Amino acid sequence: KAGVTQTPRYLIKTRGQQVTLSCSPISGHRSVSWYQQTPGQGLQFLFEYFSETQRNKGNFPGRFSGRQFSNSRSEMNVSTLELGDSALYLCASSFREPDNYGYTFGSGTRLTVV
Amino acid sequence: KNQVEQSPQSLIILEGKNCTLQCNYTVSPFSNLRWYKQDTGRGPVSLTIMTFSENTKSNGRYTATLDADTKQSSLHITASQLSDSASYICVVSVSDYKLSFGAGTTVTVRA
Repeated sequence: KAGVTQTPRYLIKTRGQQVTLSCSPISGHRSVSWYQQTPGQGLQFLFEYFSETQRNKGNFPGRFSGRQFSNSRSEMNVSTLELGDSALYLCASSFREPDNYGYTFGSGTRLTVV
Repeated sequence: KNQVEQSPQSLIILEGKNCTLQCNYTVSPFSNLRWYKQDTGRGPVSLTIMTFSENTKSNGRYTATLDADTKQSSLHITASQLSDSASYICVVSVSDYKLSFGAGTTVTVRA
């Protein structure tokens, strides 16, 4: 059974550009959540989608957005990139309510903004 | 202030030795507490999940304990191996899918 797949694994962008990251959840999983991980801040919750609807959102500026498709695949977009956006972006998928069913993380996308 | 505090921030142990990591939380209400292992450059992998009614959970050489009264949890690694070198993250879940993450403890196992 395939795990959570994130693409690309590594990305280098310049300030001001935008970027789109992709996450394919485990087959059958309908909840996808996104996290930003930096050495200074640790893991921080960005948002969570379930059946194409955003159910929860963390405290990030509007430059961070996401969406989920009917096949549960999700994308995260960051516009007008800043140096501070350099981080490991992780997505996690769950069958239904993550709190009850647990969730599985992907290996992440390492974004470097120069 | 972070609602989940982990200690120590980092530690170095010799292969074969035991170690214990601590997690104190102030999150309320409390649904469950998870410990994750994260290898460098990889996503976190779940080690244990405990609800408030459980006070111990094992996964191989990893044993987690939980004291819901004092809001403390620990992760004990027995007979450490080089592959245990990683960051260990404590995650506390409240209801309604709200998660609080600890900053993690970096464990380095040396031969």
